[in-house]
Amino acid sequence: NAGVMQNPRHLVRRRGQEARLRCSPMKGHSHVYWYRQLPEEGLKFMVYLQKENIIDESGMPKERFSAEFPKEGPSILRIQQVVRGDSAAYFCASSPVATGELFFGEGSRLTVL
Amino acid sequence: ILNVEQSPQSLHVQEGDSTNFTCSFPSSNFYALHWYRWETAKSPEALFVMTLNGDEKKKGRISATLNTKEGYSYLYIKGSQPEDSATYLCAFITPGGGADGLTFGKGTHLIIQP
Repeated sequence: NAGVMQNPRHLVRRRGQEARLRCSPMKGHSHVYWYRQLPEEGLKFMVYLQKENIIDESGMPKERFSAEFPKEGPSILRIQQVVRGDSAAYFCASSPVATGELFFGEGSRLTVL
Repeated sequence: ILNVEQSPQSLHVQEGDSTNFTCSFPSSNFYALHWYRWETAKSPEALFVMTLNGDEKKKGRISATLNTKEGYSYLYIKGSQPEDSATYLCAFITPGGGADGLTFGKGTHLIIQP
């Protein structure tokens, strides 16, 4: 049973470009969480999704950021018109139940030049 | 925004010594507390899921206790080994899930010195 898969592991973008980060949860997990880790800070919640539904996106910036978890395929975190402050590691985690143990991917490190 | 505090922020321990550190969380609206171990260049891995006041869990040389009434959990490592070096995160869970439903502390960064 493969773990949570995130890709790309590393992504470099210039200011103004778009970044797309993908997350395939563990088999049988329908709850997906995205976290951002900024330098010298811990994991900050961004968004919580179930299949085809955004349950809570209160941790996500109102502009430029969006997330989806379609019926088929991975969850995608999309950042439009990236700025340098978006440079961070983005972690995805999945769980079989809403408040269960999280299984993390290895993260996607976004660098904005 | 819920306040989940971990202390100390970092800790240096001699190999073979035992150590412990703390996670403090709100004592109301408790559902569960998770401990995760996060090694450098890897992803966090769950150590314990704790739900009941007075819970004690053990995995090898690592154990954890939970006091939901006063809002704290201790993680203990007995006879530290170099492979125990990692950041240990706690996560406080409320029944609703979502942003406030699963809040991480900033972690305790543990370094075991040979």
